Amino acid sequence: EVQLVESGGVLVQPGGSLKLSCAASGFTFGDSGIHWVRQASGKGLEWIGRIRSKGYSYATEYSVSVKGRFTISRDDPKNTAYLQMNNLRTDDTAVYYCTRHGTLPDYYFMDVWGRGTTVTVSS
Amino acid sequence: DIQMTQSPSSLSASVGDRVTITCRASQGISSYLAWFQQKPGKAPKSLIYAASSLQSGVPSKFSGSGSGTDFTLTISSLQPEDSATYYCLQYNNFPYTFGQGTKLEIK
Repeated sequence: EVQLVESGGVLVQPGGSLKLSCAASGFTFGDSGIHWVRQASGKGLEWIGRIRSKGYSYATEYSVSVKGRFTISRDDPKNTAYLQMNNLRTDDTAVYYCTRHGTLPDYYFMDVWGRGTTVTVSS
Repeated sequence: DIQMTQSPSSLSASVGDRVTITCRASQGISSYLAWFQQKPGKAPKSLIYAASSLQSGVPSKFSGSGSGTDFTLTISSLQPEDSATYYCLQYNNFPYTFGQGTKLEIK
């Protein structure tokens, strides 16, 4: 079964840091790009960033709201992607999801999502 | 950034009805448009990608169309379990952007 599982969400103070994990199973993780999407309570979905596979030099892209504060990375042997969040603000409070995107050899686009992990930024 | 505008923001329909949700992009995005369904407390579920390609395992009552700036998601033969919020997503340009969502209520 193809699966993504997020973890690491906790209560953190403004200005703090946190690293989320997205553990993958059931597919060739190394061939897949990983996206992070968040959702504040009662609000819509917000795309925050993506990391591509080794074949695309692990290229990353970010939304304006997190660029310079958040960093996406991956450890292919561990089948895990990460979201390092620094200088957290109260408006970063949200449920954080990861999802996948593959191009070669198999195409798929955001077909599988994790259940999400909750980050609360508050003093 | 490309702005995605969904309409309506909410709608109510009856069991057996067919509904259409529209998504308009602020600039052309070719066919790089996806649709997602989300129920309260759950992760989004992919329905459509590339504007009209049905995600594996999604029933054919869901269909998508459009290209350029105007796109539609049509849901036929509505059932109570179709009650959810639906989002479009453009992935032609970074940053990817979602529409604000359309809340569908089944009467």
